Amino acid sequence: QQPVQSPQAVILREGEDAVINCSSSKALYSVHWYRQKHGEAPVFLMILLKGGEQKGHDKISASFNEKKQQSSLYLTASQLSYSGTYFCGTEKDSNYQLIWGAGTKLIIKP
Amino acid sequence: GAGVSQSPSNKVTEKGKDVELRCDPISGHTALYWYRQSLGQGLEFLIYFQGNSAPDKSGLPSDRFSAERTGGSVSTLTIQRTQQEDSAVYLCASSLVGGQNTEAFFGQGTRLTVV
Repeated sequence: QQPVQSPQAVILREGEDAVINCSSSKALYSVHWYRQKHGEAPVFLMILLKGGEQKGHDKISASFNEKKQQSSLYLTASQLSYSGTYFCGTEKDSNYQLIWGAGTKLIIKP
Repeated sequence: GAGVSQSPSNKVTEKGKDVELRCDPISGHTALYWYRQSLGQGLEFLIYFQGNSAPDKSGLPSDRFSAERTGGSVSTLTIQRTQQEDSAVYLCASSLVGGQNTEAFFGQGTRLTVV
């Protein structure tokens, strides 16, 4: 079952914050976040395992709410380089395939 | 190699012809994945290799699609009798170990256009 990402697209001014959500109808083992710039390969951001952990690096962080079967990606004080499409991949068991969301397109304007 | 390498980067083929797409994973990575991405869409899982074996082929869209991996390294995705709906970017990714708790590294993809 494909996870649902919201919003589908968001336009921000440089310096503004954004939240991207990834929801699943099934219990999750982990959530993976990747960013893909136009014409490029997806690039890894982070993996969160069940247990409700939160991770972050630089001004990008994420949380994983096991009960709600949802993960949220937080982009703080967005930079132009954050533009791209953000994908979440969910996994219901270890050693299982990732099921990917349809992506959230993020556009940052100067 | 330094990263995941895919070839060709672009392929235009006539409907009905067979095509082979190649993926060279990062040296030492045991897990290899093939995905398909249509224009503006998310990633569609095709197949997963652990070493040379494919424990999960559930994503292959039809029997025209097949993949193999030899020597625990290079993988080839073959599409027979191509159709226009096969047009997409085919992405390959590899990770150090099987299972999904590790970062996957993606290649630049092969853009396939069936005319």
